[in-house]
Amino acid sequence: DAMVIQNPRYQVTQFGKPVTLSCSQTLNHNVMYWYQQKSSQAPKLLFHYYDKDFNNEADTPDNFQSRRPNTSFCFLDIRSPGLGDAAMYLCATSGAGGGRNEQFFGPGTRLTVL
Amino acid sequence: AQKITQTQPGMFVQEKEAVTLDCTYDTSDPSYGLFWYKQPSSGEMIFLIYQGSYDQQNATEGRYSLNFQKARKSANLVISASQLGDSAMYFCAMREGAQGAQKLVFGQGTRLTINP
Repeated sequence: DAMVIQNPRYQVTQFGKPVTLSCSQTLNHNVMYWYQQKSSQAPKLLFHYYDKDFNNEADTPDNFQSRRPNTSFCFLDIRSPGLGDAAMYLCATSGAGGGRNEQFFGPGTRLTVL
Repeated sequence: AQKITQTQPGMFVQEKEAVTLDCTYDTSDPSYGLFWYKQPSSGEMIFLIYQGSYDQQNATEGRYSLNFQKARKSANLVISASQLGDSAMYFCAMREGAQGAQKLVFGQGTRLTINP
């Protein structure tokens, strides 16, 4: 089945230790998104890739970076995780343009910062 | 200003009853889309239903329907014949514009609990 896969599902890191979260898709979608979702809150868009074009949200901290080496894969790098970065990180993909084009989400990576 | 407002933090409903989850939105863009997602405790966001701003009829997908009242800027989700598996967080989201990436703005969510 076509899907969005995130690895790992659970990640524990230490304060200040860089961490990379991975997302892959078999849907061949142009657009890939990274969201941060803290407990009992709505998902918050960090950035998205439209093909190879990187688009950062204005309030995304510099501590968060992303890479998309090819259509299928996208990575979220947190350079120096702080306690406030503990959250669920959701990857999503979609086609581009108007109409339905719903976003397909992966299962998420729950990040714990010790 | 909030673009998407969900005023019900939590709702409790008896199994087999219908339930309406409220969502109001704010935009000046004539072209927009409204989405509802379900998020079970496992964390994955599951797409439920979509309504485009130019759609003449209310969207339906199985037990889900969307009560779209454009003049009032509301897009309430109706779940008929609720089931225990419907217990989850429900998010309303809006996409503005019709080009490019489907950037979504989410409401704060409603936690729905179905009681047996």
